[in-house]
Amino acid sequence: QVQLQESGPGLVKPSETLSLTCTVSGGSISRYYWSWIRQPAGKGLEWIGRIYTSGSTSGSTTYNPSLKSRVTMSVDTSKNQFSLKLSSVTAADTAVYYCARGGDWRLVLDDWGQGTLVTVSS
Amino acid sequence: QSALTQPASVSGSPGQSITISCTGTSSDVGGYNYVSWYQQHPGKAPKVMIYDVSNRPPGVSKRFSGSKSGNTASLTISGLQAEDEADYYCTSYTSSSTLVFGGGTKLTVL
Repeated sequence: QVQLQESGPGLVKPSETLSLTCTVSGGSISRYYWSWIRQPAGKGLEWIGRIYTSGSTSGSTTYNPSLKSRVTMSVDTSKNQFSLKLSSVTAADTAVYYCARGGDWRLVLDDWGQGTLVTVSS
Repeated sequence: QSALTQPASVSGSPGQSITISCTGTSSDVGGYNYVSWYQQHPGKAPKVMIYDVSNRPPGVSKRFSGSKSGNTASLTISGLQAEDEADYYCTSYTSSSTLVFGGGTKLTVL
């Protein structure tokens, strides 16, 4: 049973960069599609993007067009982790951030982390 | 990309059936049979209930079923139970190789 755990600062200042890591245990990070999703309090889910690695490459990415200019995702196969960076954050980026696993490019999100709250405030 | 359109809320009594719709465009819902449905209880991570329009993952009750017609997908829950009360979200793969969520529907079991 794969487990995902998000980690990172719970508080980020406006205009700075939000950085989160998802640690995968109980399975390999290779040959799966790894997504980030966020959910502002009381609101719906928003897909941020995904990264895929075959294990021998740095990972291919696809991002939500509305966030593409601010998002960077990366993967570290040696640590079984993947990461999210969101630059120039504002209060509108305050949300619970989830990482999730998809079995293939159709992005069915089979397994999820528990989520981590990130607040953007000075 | 625009969020898929779902009703904000639906309700039903125990034992009844309800249907939640999810409307998109020919670039997402209408163009691919890659619609999924997720159940989210308060404070919890979402759980996939339906994938590829009408397939149930192992362990998901047969009371949950999915279908699609044109640009609109639907989730039907039969024999409503108190534990079904939750938020439900649809997703679709898109022509841009991205994923788009619906706005979510709050299901109340009366």
